[in-house]
Amino acid sequence: KQEVTQIPAALSVPEGENLVLNCSFTDSAIYNLQWFRQDPGKGLTSLLLIQSSQREQTSGRLNASLDKSSGRSTLYIAASQPGDSATYLCAGGGSNYKLTFGKGTLLTVNP
Amino acid sequence: NAGVMQNPRHLVRRRGQEARLRCSPMKGHSHVYWYRQLPEEGLKFMVYLQKENIIDESGMPKERFSAEFPKEGPSILRIQQVVRGDSAAYFCASSPQGPNEQFFGPGTRLTVL
Repeated sequence: KQEVTQIPAALSVPEGENLVLNCSFTDSAIYNLQWFRQDPGKGLTSLLLIQSSQREQTSGRLNASLDKSSGRSTLYIAASQPGDSATYLCAGGGSNYKLTFGKGTLLTVNP
Repeated sequence: NAGVMQNPRHLVRRRGQEARLRCSPMKGHSHVYWYRQLPEEGLKFMVYLQKENIIDESGMPKERFSAEFPKEGPSILRIQQVVRGDSAAYFCASSPQGPNEQFFGPGTRLTVL
């Protein structure tokens, strides 16, 4: 059974700082790894998708990596902004492509 | 291209009533997933459907919950005889065929009084 853990549970940084969010998973037989952003009371916005054959994906100031052998993924955010404040979720895609989610990292970027 | 649509956005029911949640996938997407987010917990998979077929319902509670994705119209998640523990945010996601990116709707927030 897949389990996904995200560390830290909460993170507060000053504006402009580069930061890394961590995600670990127990079953390396994942099809893909997806990072999401969730704002309070809102739905999920897909940020990056890494297929199992890939090592990383980049979109703007975001870079996500995937290491299946160690069961880890990281989301790197460059030059953080107050608008980046949200909960960040990682999810591993498994059998039947259903996603197993971590509990998220609550990010606060202070102006 | 409209995103995944869910309605209603907020639903209030009294214990024992029925709740019906609707999800319209993105255009061209034939796969629908339902997830539930309980207060202070992560999102949990409930069911995976394709048109007229339930592919995986391993995350659905055994009683009172059912889901369908008819040939025409939205996917429906139905909860009969709701209890307070059903209060949660219910999210629908859709994807094209295969292990692709899932796109989520805004969710339906169910409150059971």
